[in-house]
Amino acid sequence: GNSVTQMEGPVTLSEEAFLTINCTYTATGYPSLFWYVQYPGEGLQLLLKATKADDKGSNKGFEATYRKETTSFHLEKGSVQVSDSAVYFCALSDTGRRALTFGSGTRLQVQP
Amino acid sequence: DAEITQSPRHKITETGRQVTLACHQTWNHNNMFWYRQDLGHGLRLIHYSYGVHDTNKGEVSDGYSVSRSNTEDLPLTLESAASSQTSVYFCASTQTFGNTIYFGEGSWLTVV
Repeated sequence: GNSVTQMEGPVTLSEEAFLTINCTYTATGYPSLFWYVQYPGEGLQLLLKATKADDKGSNKGFEATYRKETTSFHLEKGSVQVSDSAVYFCALSDTGRRALTFGSGTRLQVQP
Repeated sequence: DAEITQSPRHKITETGRQVTLACHQTWNHNNMFWYRQDLGHGLRLIHYSYGVHDTNKGEVSDGYSVSRSNTEDLPLTLESAASSQTSVYFCASTQTFGNTIYFGEGSWLTVV
């Protein structure tokens, strides 16, 4: 079956530091890949997505590249802000089921 | 604006009671999903539906049921609530594979 593995958190960074959150996946076929963000007390919001190999999704300074050869979709940001503190979820959607399969989430804490 | 809404947002119930969580979307999406979010597990799929009168079990469907009598609504019923079902529940919808999946704001359920 499908699965998504994310790095364990929490990740604690100082403001303006570089962020990487690792995500690898197992899936049949050619899934679409997503990063969702959840701010405290809120639902999930789409951060970015990529629908085919070598696509780069980007939004709000965050980027992730769909790497089929390494089955990875790592999230990066060059300079984090306190307002980026949240839980980040990597997810995939396959053609067969359309539902999202989520990783366990990575909590990011950015300190001023 | 189109949206997806859940109700109630917070509920406390007793073990053994039947509970129904409502989910309503105004996008006319065919595909709707229910997830539960628990610490250390990320989001896990409970049930999903591809259209009216269609329902399917997800990975954690025991003790839950759904029905789809129209496009807009997918209520989730806990037949006999158990303490293990204390969780945050999220409803989601999308029109087609690869497109953004939109989430409601969540329903916090406590079973005592």
